[in-house]
Amino acid sequence: GQNIDQPTEMTATEGAIVQINCTYQTSGFNGLFWYQQHAGEAPTFLSYNVLDGLEEKGRFSSFLSRSKGYSYLLLKELQMKDSASYLCAVRARESNYQLIWGAGTKLIIKP
Amino acid sequence: ETGVTQSPTHLIKTRGQQVTLRCSSQSGHNTVSWYQQALGQGPQFIFQYYREEENGRGNFPPRFSGLQFPNYSSELNVNALELDDSALYLCASSPGEGLALPLHFGNGTRLTVT
Repeated sequence: GQNIDQPTEMTATEGAIVQINCTYQTSGFNGLFWYQQHAGEAPTFLSYNVLDGLEEKGRFSSFLSRSKGYSYLLLKELQMKDSASYLCAVRARESNYQLIWGAGTKLIIKP
Repeated sequence: ETGVTQSPTHLIKTRGQQVTLRCSSQSGHNTVSWYQQALGQGPQFIFQYYREEENGRGNFPPRFSGLQFPNYSSELNVNALELDDSALYLCASSPGEGLALPLHFGNGTRLTVT
């Protein structure tokens, strides 16, 4: 069966850099998404990776290694508003291409 | 451009009752999916509708059912509510079935079953 693992919680300092890891085990991988979710709000799309490598989008970057079943989300120049949960979600043939979600990583930014 | 809107925002029901949650998809989006998100967990896929037909379903019992209307809005119906149904129910839309297309979520309906 599928399994997606993320750390439950991370703490970082305003202005710093943080890396949130996501590992997955699935059959027929077909893409990985990162979403941000502030408490009580909807998840919002951050990035998409389907090929190996780094995708950069402003302060946020996402990396994928399909052979290792591994992705990370890199957040630079952290701001207080980045305090949120970060969700990793995978599409795979095994799940009929529906998104399977990790439990999310709660990121706490301290001044 | 109007985003995804869901109603109601909060709802309290008693075990055994039935509930209907509503979702208006983002303009131009013909695909709607519903998710259940328990506190501290990621969303769990319930089902997806494309052009008024259900075209994918997660591991949820038949008492979870849905509809999509010609204007692509959607309903989620849950019968015989159980305490474990208490969760945030999220609706998401996308402009098609493309696998690379990101989902656009509404703010959800917080359902509490007592």
